[in-house]
Amino acid sequence: SYEVTQPPSVSVSPGQTATITCSGDKMGDKYACWYQQKPGQSPVLVIYQDNKRPSGIPERFSGSNSGNTATLTISGTQAMDEADYYCQAWDSSTAVFGTGTKVTVL
Amino acid sequence: EVQLLESGGGLVQPGGSLRLSCAASRFTFSSYAMSWVRQAPGKGLEWVSGISGSGGSTYYADSVKGRFTISRDNSKNTLFLQMNSLRAEDTAVYSCAKSRRFCIGGSCPPDDAFDIWGQGTMVTVSS
Repeated sequence: SYEVTQPPSVSVSPGQTATITCSGDKMGDKYACWYQQKPGQSPVLVIYQDNKRPSGIPERFSGSNSGNTATLTISGTQAMDEADYYCQAWDSSTAVFGTGTKVTVL
Repeated sequence: EVQLLESGGGLVQPGGSLRLSCAASRFTFSSYAMSWVRQAPGKGLEWVSGISGSGGSTYYADSVKGRFTISRDNSKNTLFLQMNSLRAEDTAVYSCAKSRRFCIGGSCPPDDAFDIWGQGTMVTVSS
């Protein structure tokens, strides 16, 4: 089965850039999307189709996808961005989520 | 506001059954594929099952294939998950999620991002 891995944690200072990677075989051949989940809340879609932002998602969230790695970038990170982030792709009619990355804003 | 509301969770013994429901509102339910996603306590997200807008095509994770059945009633804007032969490892919060892509005719598979999520319903499998 298709596997997608993320770093368990990323730390970032307020105002700096957080980069979260999502690795899977030929990930660049698939569409990647990203979800933000805060404690006790449901996930929120922040990026779809590699680099598109849903309405209401701040411009500081951006995405890219090439080769074996999709990347979520949070520019000018704010305290409110502290959360778990999951990437997700589809493989053989199955949705596969990444292992999740906890972003801590120090 | 587009909304999804799950119900039907609870405590069940290993080997037992449970039926979850997800009531949808404020969007053309039959034009969107839907999925169930679960999250075990303290763990990550796991996709469980998906269904096309018309209900004609269904998809399952290997971990639940043969035990769970997804269905929908478009006349009642409701999604279901019938769970049989439950195991301890099925313990999780189960959430329904709407696929982002609008699909005329409802024949599209659930192969897009999930743009709307319910708040989830807890399923605990324990003796």
